[in-house]
Amino acid sequence: AQSVTQLDSHVSVSEGTPVLLRCNYSSSYSPSLFWYVQHPNKGLQLLLKYTSAATLVKGINGFEAEFKKSETSFHLTKPSAHMSDAAEYFCVVSEALGGGADGLTFGKGTHLIIQP
Amino acid sequence: ETGVTQTPRHLVMGMTNKKSLKCEQHLGHNAMYWYKQSAKKPLELMFVYNFKEQTENNSVPSRFSPECPNSSHLFLHLHTLQPEDSALYLCASSQAQGYNEQFFGPGTRLTVL
Repeated sequence: AQSVTQLDSHVSVSEGTPVLLRCNYSSSYSPSLFWYVQHPNKGLQLLLKYTSAATLVKGINGFEAEFKKSETSFHLTKPSAHMSDAAEYFCVVSEALGGGADGLTFGKGTHLIIQP
Repeated sequence: ETGVTQTPRHLVMGMTNKKSLKCEQHLGHNAMYWYKQSAKKPLELMFVYNFKEQTENNSVPSRFSPECPNSSHLFLHLHTLQPEDSALYLCASSQAQGYNEQFFGPGTRLTVL
């Protein structure tokens, strides 16, 4: 069985400062891991994904995440926050490697607030 | 139009009404999904269709009835809903079930009075 825990329901940072959104996962198999972002009244957009290649994954809009198997973590970071980064962020785990599996397992989300 | 589209974007209905949500994907994918997003709860997978066949029903009440006439279209038929069914309903698609990169539509905000 797979599960994911986002450690913070809200994170507030000042514009121009680093962002850290924390995620821990549990999986019986080698998982795929994702970060999605959801802006108000919008659907979910894929930021980045890890699928057993390089452990440091670069995504869109300057975000990146590092897969740490020993810590079962997949934290999302960005060096410098922008006002447009204010949104809800979801960490997602999937054990699906091809065929026959169910959908993704989502964390509860982290609301990122950017202070001017 | 590109990506995954959903109509209507907003829907208000009474508990005795019957309505349908529509999802269409223009990505050539073969798997489609319905999710429910409620306030302060994780996204809940409701149904999965793979090559037009329903492969997952995540213990969803029968007042929700999905339909997938072809790989590009997915419907969610609603009848005799309850106020607790008010939520954002998201549709997603992927190349096939098990290809775990899913593309999401903007959602339908449903309010049940």
